[in-house]
Amino acid sequence: EAEVAQSPRYKITEKSQAVAFWCDPISGHATLYWYRQILGQGPELLVQFQDESVVDDSQLPKDRFSAERLKGVDSTLKIQPAELGDSAMYLCASSSGTGYNSPLHFGNGTRLTVT
Amino acid sequence: DAKTTQPTSMDCAEGRAANLPCNHSTISGNEYVYWYRQIHSQGPQYIIHGLKNNETNEMASLIITEDRKSSTLILPHATLRDTAVYYCIVSPTGTASKLTFGTGTRLQVTL
Repeated sequence: EAEVAQSPRYKITEKSQAVAFWCDPISGHATLYWYRQILGQGPELLVQFQDESVVDDSQLPKDRFSAERLKGVDSTLKIQPAELGDSAMYLCASSSGTGYNSPLHFGNGTRLTVT
Repeated sequence: DAKTTQPTSMDCAEGRAANLPCNHSTISGNEYVYWYRQIHSQGPQYIIHGLKNNETNEMASLIITEDRKSSTLILPHATLRDTAVYYCIVSPTGTASKLTFGTGTRLQVTL
């Protein structure tokens, strides 16, 4: 079964440094999502792409976070500068559409630790 | 979006049915009920979804009450590998794949 690929699996960085995460969605999936999951909580949506366009980034802290999906395929999420409170699991998901019959497929995430 | 209420945790013996309840008393007519689960150190996994009819697939069954104010996810024969956090989510049809997760139910399957 096709999977959503994410890298790196783990990342440790010092505060004020820049960090980037990469996601390769399931082939053909036009919709891509980045979620953040703090330990003990459910995932929280950061940004949603439809092809290469951002359709919802209302929860993305734009002063330090940025996301791009230049060719409408893979995507990068960047944090600059990282803060201690950014320590979390960053999950990427993709779906074939946005309708009710388009379940999300998640990758296994990047666990970020900011020291 | 309608909110959901789930028990924080549940236990189930291996081989028995696991029945996970979810309350969504403010659900709207155009909102679907979705269930996902998250095994430790993995991303969430889609299980099943429904609008008002009961649904069954190879993983589970979803029972939705007639008034749609609550639902139950049934794992008919739980195994140790079903130990996970189970999320019940309601979402409108137009944005059905943009999910708002709560804290879910932590299901522990024991020998």
